[in-house]
Amino acid sequence: QKEVEQNSGPLSVPEGAIASLNCTYSDRGSQSFFWYRQYSGKSPELIMSIYSNGDKEDGRFTAQLNKASQYVSLLIRDSQPSDSATYLCAVNTPGANNLFFGTGTRLTVIP
Amino acid sequence: DVKVTQSSRYLVKRTGEKVFLECVQDMDHENMFWYRQDPGLGLRLIYFSYDVKMKEKGDIPEGYSVSREKKERFSLILESASTNQTSMYLCATRRGQGAKRGEQYFGPGTRLTVT
Repeated sequence: QKEVEQNSGPLSVPEGAIASLNCTYSDRGSQSFFWYRQYSGKSPELIMSIYSNGDKEDGRFTAQLNKASQYVSLLIRDSQPSDSATYLCAVNTPGANNLFFGTGTRLTVIP
Repeated sequence: DVKVTQSSRYLVKRTGEKVFLECVQDMDHENMFWYRQDPGLGLRLIYFSYDVKMKEKGDIPEGYSVSREKKERFSLILESASTNQTSMYLCATRRGQGAKRGEQYFGPGTRLTVT
């Protein structure tokens, strides 16, 4: 079983809609959770960090964490064509120096 | 803002050449990482370093070595480049402690082609 799993997509949403991206992780002791956005040909860019259960909002982005169910999600409200990218979920587990990354979900926002 | 720079954006080398990829960060982060990213395979960790002169193997260290002589600089070395090392190479840094622990920042990447 992979440490971090994401649906590879592609996920297509119309402009202005809410895009919902999901991620599950296997280590119940995981403590830190991150979402990265990666445009084609570019490097991943950190867009959200979440450390405790519940929701964390930053502009049009909301990260949701549910440790009991071992999932973390990213909601993008009022999706724009510029949000079209691959979104990577990453998890930090105790005792591990590196992050575990999912393989990413490709999002396309259709104008 | 964290700034992570890599020595080249694009690099073309011949099979058998020794290749050096350099990464420099300006945020005094303890941890530094080298990944490669290939279509369908995601990010794969090659090596990481948690302190000067300290290094640990990641998931795919074969054919690579690293050097960290100064805190801000982490180098990836391909001892004898092969065509299967054609890839996007990404350096990353991460703070070891504090409120933003675990937040990892990537450099712009080096797209290496070995012919």
